[in-house]
Amino acid sequence: GQNIDQPTEMTATEGAIVQINCTYQTSGFNGLFWYQQHAGEAPTFLSYNVLDGLEEKGRFSSFLSRSKGYSYLLLKELQMKDSASYLCVVADSNYQLIWGAGTKLIIKP
Amino acid sequence: ETGVTQTPRHLVMGMTNKKSLKCEQHLGHNAMYWYKQSAKKPLELMFVYNFKEQTENNSVPSRFSPECPNSSHLFLHLHTLQPEDSALYLCASSQGETVSEGQYFGPGTRLTVT
Repeated sequence: GQNIDQPTEMTATEGAIVQINCTYQTSGFNGLFWYQQHAGEAPTFLSYNVLDGLEEKGRFSSFLSRSKGYSYLLLKELQMKDSASYLCVVADSNYQLIWGAGTKLIIKP
Repeated sequence: ETGVTQTPRHLVMGMTNKKSLKCEQHLGHNAMYWYKQSAKKPLELMFVYNFKEQTENNSVPSRFSPECPNSSHLFLHLHTLQPEDSALYLCASSQGETVSEGQYFGPGTRLTVT
């Protein structure tokens, strides 16, 4: 079957760095997305990786290793507004999106 | 209006009621989606429309009936729902079905079935 694994919850301190890991097993691979979802709101697109390596976008970076079925989202200089759920999503060989359950990130002052 | 809008934002309905959820996108996208999000579960894709044609129906019960009159509007008609159908229903759109550009989501409709 197809599966996305990511931690259920993480806690970090304002101003610090946090890494949210995601591992996947899917039928084929056509890219990996990270979405941010604040409580009670819709998911918003953060990043897309289809090749191995690191993609940097401001305070957020996303890394992909296709051979390991692994990705991480790195958040730097954490702010209180970064408290949200972070969803790892993989597009399989048919471009069907396989959604992870999300990692709830709690930022403490 | 910009982005993806959904109405109503909240809906409470009885099991014998009939209601409809509406979604509208102002992004010029070709593909539109309905998702169900239950607490602490991954998003569940329900329906996909590409250029107004339904291309995906993920074994959704017939009590959910989608309608896509044009590329900008998407409806989800509800009838004889069950309490377990209570969830957040999200509409999304994208530029083409390959989704490599990511999907844009509406704010969702919080549905409660009593």
